[in-house]
Amino acid sequence: DTAVSQTPKYLVTQMGNDKSIKCEQNLGHDTMYWYKQDSKKFLKIMFSYNNKELIINETVPNRFSPKSPDKAHLNLHINSLELGDSAVYFCASSQVDREEKFFGPGTRLTVL
Amino acid sequence: QKEVEQNSGPLSVPEGAIASLNCTYSDRGSQSFFWYRQYSGKSPELIMFIYSNGDKEDGRFTAQLNKASQYVSLLIRDSQPSDSATYLCAVNPAGHSGGGADGLTFGKGTHLIIQP
Repeated sequence: DTAVSQTPKYLVTQMGNDKSIKCEQNLGHDTMYWYKQDSKKFLKIMFSYNNKELIINETVPNRFSPKSPDKAHLNLHINSLELGDSAVYFCASSQVDREEKFFGPGTRLTVL
Repeated sequence: QKEVEQNSGPLSVPEGAIASLNCTYSDRGSQSFFWYRQYSGKSPELIMFIYSNGDKEDGRFTAQLNKASQYVSLLIRDSQPSDSATYLCAVNPAGHSGGGADGLTFGKGTHLIIQP
């Protein structure tokens, strides 16, 4: 299936830990994104990345860092997890000359 | 701060009726507008996008854009119980390339309930 996939689907961890979420797209898209959806269902952009440019939302703490080994993957690494990081994290992708974003299934992160 | 505003609802509509969802945005220079549907526990799914003033129809869905009023709407005709979901309005902020390297600004969504 052509899609945006994420692993893991659920992630439960303790405060202070470091964790990563992986994202892969096989749509041949040029640009990938990370969005955060909080408990009130508000969806906010965190990062967008293509092979030339990383755009960071200025409200994102520097504990969050995207890492892209290649065009089809954009992983999200989070250091020193805090309670407020609990949310659903969505990866998305798009073609550089198209604005439609396609979302992955989401990773529900719970920090205890 | 660029914002997208939606009534959170819930908006309750009888089956077979027209559901009307509304959205306003603050950035007057915004160029592209999107409606996503999100079922509970699922990811957002693109329904429609619109760039020009006026109406755009796709099946039972019609998107309407009025840039002068900074207003976007989505009409769902012949509403079905399967249309029950949260509908997210999203805007591509002005000043961006529009070439896809930019994140969308989302509203908080309207929860729609279609009553059988």
